[in-house]
Amino acid sequence: AQSVTQLGSHVSVSEGALVLLRCNYSSSVPPYLFWYVQYPNQGLQLLLKYTSAATLVKGINGFEAEFKKSETSFHLTKPSAHMSDAAEYFCAVKPPLGGGYQKVTFGTGTKLQVIP
Amino acid sequence: DVKVTQSSRYLVKRTGEKVFLECVQDMDHENMFWYRQDPGLGLRLIYFSYDVKMKEKGDIPEGYSVSREKKERFSLILESASTNQTSMYLCASSQGTGTGGVGANVLTFGAGSRLTVL
Repeated sequence: AQSVTQLGSHVSVSEGALVLLRCNYSSSVPPYLFWYVQYPNQGLQLLLKYTSAATLVKGINGFEAEFKKSETSFHLTKPSAHMSDAAEYFCAVKPPLGGGYQKVTFGTGTKLQVIP
Repeated sequence: DVKVTQSSRYLVKRTGEKVFLECVQDMDHENMFWYRQDPGLGLRLIYFSYDVKMKEKGDIPEGYSVSREKKERFSLILESASTNQTSMYLCASSQGTGTGGVGANVLTFGAGSRLTVL
């Protein structure tokens, strides 16, 4: 069975500071990993995804994440926070392609607050 | 621009009422999903469908049913709404697994329907 753990339901950073949102996964095989972002009163949208092509993945809005198999982690980072980054971020895991539908499992989310 | 459209952003219903949540996608996606989002619990899968007239239970199907009569439309039905079904409901779609590639794994979400049951 697969699972995702997001450490910290709320994270606060100052504008211009480093953003680090933590995600650890559990999976019997190297999975596909995703970060989604949800702005207030909106649905989720894809931020970035890992599909085994490269361990460092760059996404939209200056975010990136690094897949570390030895640590079973996929932490999301951004060098300099902007006020517009305030949102809720979800890490998600999915088994690699195979027969039939394979379920996406979401973490419980981390709300990012950016302080001016 | 690809879209998943949920017909109602906000609904207020009374206990025992029948509730329909409608979702339409314009991307010709095979898979469609209904999730429930609650604070501290993340997203939980209620039902999904990988083809017209096909449906599969997710993690929390109790109290819900679904209908998919056309490829682009996936409806969530609460036969008799209860207060513990007050939540944000998110519809999503994705390409079928048969197409292969990364696209098969990415979910496109609607804006959500916030349901309050009194």
